[in-house]
Amino acid sequence: NAGVTQTPKFQVLKTGQSMTLQCAQDMNHEYMSWYRQDPGMGLRLIHYSVGAGITDQGEVPNGYNVSRSTTEDFPLRLLSAAPSQTSVYFCASSPFGTGGGYTFGSGTRLTVV
Amino acid sequence: SQQGEEDPQALSIQEGENATMNCSYKTSINNLQWYRQNSGRGLVHLILIRSNEREKHSGRLRVTLDTSKKSSSLLITASRAADTASYFCATDIGTGANSKLTFGKGITLSVRP
Repeated sequence: NAGVTQTPKFQVLKTGQSMTLQCAQDMNHEYMSWYRQDPGMGLRLIHYSVGAGITDQGEVPNGYNVSRSTTEDFPLRLLSAAPSQTSVYFCASSPFGTGGGYTFGSGTRLTVV
Repeated sequence: SQQGEEDPQALSIQEGENATMNCSYKTSINNLQWYRQNSGRGLVHLILIRSNEREKHSGRLRVTLDTSKKSSSLLITASRAADTASYFCATDIGTGANSKLTFGKGITLSVRP
């Protein structure tokens, strides 16, 4: 089915470990973004991309890196995991940037111990 | 601080009743969007209203936008138990490639059978 695929669905990391959250979409959307969702905080934008080769920071970018080498993929890298990064991470894409509705992945639940 | 703030934080109604949810925001917007999130799932786009529009309908959904008051409301008519979910408003702010979609903290809607 067409959509946004996130892997893994669940992950436990130890403090200081690094990992990459994967996000892929097959809808040829130019715009992709990463959000984190914490209880009582809503969704906060981490990084976003308006097309291959172009990325920019959102509201809470510290501790995260992104790259966009293809239209389909937008991985999120945690450089050195901290307990404050325990959260649910969502990837989203849109054909029209913020001018259209986003399609969200099902999320990655990350716990850092 | 949050760009969009939903009200109330939680709403419990009987099946068949109408549900009204409100969103207020602080700065000028390009558009405002409403999303639904079922427990443990990603967000689903419901409806988008542009800054030059005052009202839009989609099935049982009606959204209004008052830019002078910087507020929007989402009305779900004839609610069903399946409407039980969290609802988020999201505001599109900024220009061009710097546009961002910022989310509120959400409203928890419970529809009792």
